[in-house]
Amino acid sequence: GDSVTQTEGPVTVSESESLIINCTYSATSIAYPNLFWYVRYPGEGLQLLLKVITAGQKGSSRGFEATYNKETTSFHLQKASVQESDSAVYYCALGDPGNYKYVFGAGTRLKVIA
Amino acid sequence: EAGVTQSPRYAVLQEGQAVSFWCDPISGHDTLYWYQQPRDQGPQLLVYFRDEAVIDNSQLPSDRFSAVRPKGTNSTLKIQSAKQGDTATYLCASSRDWVQNTLYFGAGTRLSVL
Repeated sequence: GDSVTQTEGPVTVSESESLIINCTYSATSIAYPNLFWYVRYPGEGLQLLLKVITAGQKGSSRGFEATYNKETTSFHLQKASVQESDSAVYYCALGDPGNYKYVFGAGTRLKVIA
Repeated sequence: EAGVTQSPRYAVLQEGQAVSFWCDPISGHDTLYWYQQPRDQGPQLLVYFRDEAVIDNSQLPSDRFSAVRPKGTNSTLKIQSAKQGDTATYLCASSRDWVQNTLYFGAGTRLSVL
């Protein structure tokens, strides 16, 4: 079946350091999966961070970026300089435009320390 | 616009008891999803609807779980006889259509089965 694997947390990074959270996917039943990063900040609900629907394209939001790499089936999340406010749980997900179905990874808890 | 509303926020049950979760999606969103999220795991799809029709309930434990969306707006997820393994957060999400391509999540209902 379709699946998403991401960096196992928790991940602790110092403020102003760079970050990468790995995400790889398997889309055996989806010809052209769409890829997403969702985030849950403390005390809040899950919300979309960024999305990319075309292989080879890059998405960006709030200083984060991720590139859809079909060759390596990856969608790693990166940020050049993290802030304490980036502390949250990040979920990689793939979506099937054929049936409006989404599959989520297990989530990566990020803690940014001052 | 108002977000996705879920109730109750918390529920604590003994094994064998029944519980219902209610979801009010964003107005105009035709697709509604129910996800189960065990602690430290990602959301796992239980069932989703397009308007009032069930599109996929293959992951719903049909002997104890049921879900309805009779008028294509609000939805109810019910567990007939809860088990300790049902302990999780139950998330409702809605989307307008695939062009928008974004899930909007409610705050979730945290269920504990003792």
